[in-house]
Amino acid sequence: EADIYQTPRYLVIGTGKKITLECSQTMGHDKMYWYQQDPGMELHLIHYSYGVNSTEKGDLSSESTVSRIRTEHFPLTLESARPSHTSQYLCASSEFGSLAYGYTFGSGTRLTVV
Amino acid sequence: GNSVTQMEGPVTLSEEAFLTINCTYTATGYPSLFWYVQYPGEGLQLLLKATKADDKGSNKGFEATYRKETTSFHLEKGSVQVSDSAVYFCALSDQSGNQFYFGTGTSLTVIP
Repeated sequence: EADIYQTPRYLVIGTGKKITLECSQTMGHDKMYWYQQDPGMELHLIHYSYGVNSTEKGDLSSESTVSRIRTEHFPLTLESARPSHTSQYLCASSEFGSLAYGYTFGSGTRLTVV
Repeated sequence: GNSVTQMEGPVTLSEEAFLTINCTYTATGYPSLFWYVQYPGEGLQLLLKATKADDKGSNKGFEATYRKETTSFHLEKGSVQVSDSAVYFCALSDQSGNQFYFGTGTSLTVIP
């Protein structure tokens, strides 16, 4: 049973549209992450947050933005979608200093920009 | 720096075959090590973990032992099933617990 929820699961949109991918968790975790997963399966960290009003860019440059106004909510926004944004987007969360517990992942959003 | 290197795939096995997916790591200090599994169309799920040297993580018939001397955390299963077909990720959490490092994933297909 998932404690971290991503919506929508699948999304097909036209070029130039603004979209927001939703991610919510019910575990009270401080840390949240967005990963982009390419067709070759590799995971690329694009954004992370260590708490409310804290956001940082990850290793992979991304044209998306994120916000963290509430602990449980970490949405990702693309202001103007392009075909190069077509990918699977995975949200994850963890507790602070969670050396032993790892990440909990959502089911992902598969985005296709046409 | 910290990094994880895992065996490239894809791997195709017959049902009931023995599985090994190699994973080696580079890290400072005392990281924790994890294996995650991703079934088609899903996110990643934690499969097993080990938090210190010589620990053995196990779950659903899969095992991996944290070997500090060889900096390895190889995933094994004695008899794979078709339902084990998925992508497997080795991962490392640094000593602070604030950064994760994933391997590139290994795709496993088990044929009947």
